[in-house]
Amino acid sequence: DTGVSQNPRHKITKRGQNVTFRCDPISEHNRLYWYRQTLGQGPEFLTYFQNEAQLEKSRLLSDRFSAERPKGSFSTLEIQRTEQGDSAMYLCASSTIGTPSSYEQYFGPGTRLTVT
Amino acid sequence: AQKVTQAQTEISVVEKEDVTLDCVYETRDTTYYLFWYKQPPSGELVFLIRRNSFDEQNEISGRYSWNFQKSTSSFNFTITASQVVDSAVYFCALGINFGNEKLTFGTGTRLTIIP
Repeated sequence: DTGVSQNPRHKITKRGQNVTFRCDPISEHNRLYWYRQTLGQGPEFLTYFQNEAQLEKSRLLSDRFSAERPKGSFSTLEIQRTEQGDSAMYLCASSTIGTPSSYEQYFGPGTRLTVT
Repeated sequence: AQKVTQAQTEISVVEKEDVTLDCVYETRDTTYYLFWYKQPPSGELVFLIRRNSFDEQNEISGRYSWNFQKSTSSFNFTITASQVVDSAVYFCALGINFGNEKLTFGTGTRLTIIP
């Protein structure tokens, strides 16, 4: 059973450019979450999907951010017109429902974004 | 609104000492879940435990133990006989709505085990 994977692991971009990150959840997990973590802070929730449906979005997710999970498997998070304040670690997690391990979110290694 | 407070920013102990990490939470929901995660220097968050709000039994897993007290809204984590490999940032988190939606994390406690 492979864990959650994220690509790329690191991304350096210039302000104003668009970036896209990918997350592959644990294969049998139907829920997928995106969080953002800045230095010295805990992760902050951005959005989550159940299968392909996006069920909740945080107010942190401005209109420059968009997330998709078109086939209910992998997900992408795109940031348009990046700003220096977007520099952070972007974490993906997945979970399942209806099993003894329901509600447990398992995290990927993250994508560290640096906006210069 | 939900809130998790980890008042201890950094803790250092000598190897083999016991150490307790504190977590205090706030929620108006009657059904919720509490979690602990470990974030080693490699950066990946590692799931340690989930507790349900309706189950106040303490839990022990090897050198790890957790003390859940609803009366004080606390969910503390104790490492017995600490080891250098325990050095990491530890996060406490709260989930509501049956725990399948967003987690609210504390700011973490950086634990350093001195050999």
